[in-house]
Amino acid sequence: GENVEQHPSTLSVQEGDSAVIKCTYSDSASNYFPWYKQELGKGPQLIIDIRSNVGEKKDQRIAVTLNKTAKHFSLHITETQPEDSAVYFCAPDTGRRALTFGSGTRLQVQP
Amino acid sequence: NAGVTQTPKFQVLKTGQSMTLQCAQDMNHNSMYWYRQDPGMGLRLIYYSASEGTTDKGEVPNGYNVSRLNKREFSLRLESAAPSQTSVYFCAGSSGSLSYEQYFGPGTRLTVT
Repeated sequence: GENVEQHPSTLSVQEGDSAVIKCTYSDSASNYFPWYKQELGKGPQLIIDIRSNVGEKKDQRIAVTLNKTAKHFSLHITETQPEDSAVYFCAPDTGRRALTFGSGTRLQVQP
Repeated sequence: NAGVTQTPKFQVLKTGQSMTLQCAQDMNHNSMYWYRQDPGMGLRLIYYSASEGTTDKGEVPNGYNVSRLNKREFSLRLESAAPSQTSVYFCAGSSGSLSYEQYFGPGTRLTVT
C-alpha cells in the first residue's frame, strides 16, 4: 500500500510568516495530491489539491507544489494568520478512489 | 443542505457490545467512506463504497462491517466492540467521478471500556 510521510509534525510560526509542510509518498501510480485542514472537533476539509499533470497551484495565500519524480508535494501558506492554526494532512490517492492520509502537521500561528 | 451527517456524536460501549454508526449525505455522492482517527494520527480507511451496491475493505477493516443501504446512507457496524476500537470515526462522501474531493462529517467519538 501507499506509504505517506509528512514533515514536520509540529510547526510554530509568527503571524505574517510563511509555513511549509512537506509530504512524501511511495506509490508512483498516485495522480491526485490534496491537502486537508482539520480544526479542533471537526472533520477534515479540503483546502487545495493538485493533479499529476500540474507542477504548482495557487489559491490566494495557499499553494501546493508537486515533484512527481521525487515523489513529494508541499503545502505553502504565506502571510499566516491565527485562523490558519489547525492540523494539516496530505492525502495522496491510492488509485482506487481512496486516499491515504499522512500523520498530520499541527500548525500554530502566534499572534 | 446538511452535507454529511453522522449519528451519534458520542458513544460509550462496554467490551463485547455491538453498535451501528450511521452516516447520511444529501450531496448526491456516489462514493462513501469510513475512517478512524486515533490521537495524534492521521485518518485510516476502514471501508469504502465506490458506488451504491459495492463495498471494499480499506487499510483497517478487521472488527467492522459496513452496509451501503442506498445512495444516501452508509453504516458502520461493530459486532463485538474492543478497547482497541476506541477512536473518532469519520464518514466522508465524494462524487467519485472527476473530483476526488471528500466531504467529511463531524465525527463520532467512541469509547470502549
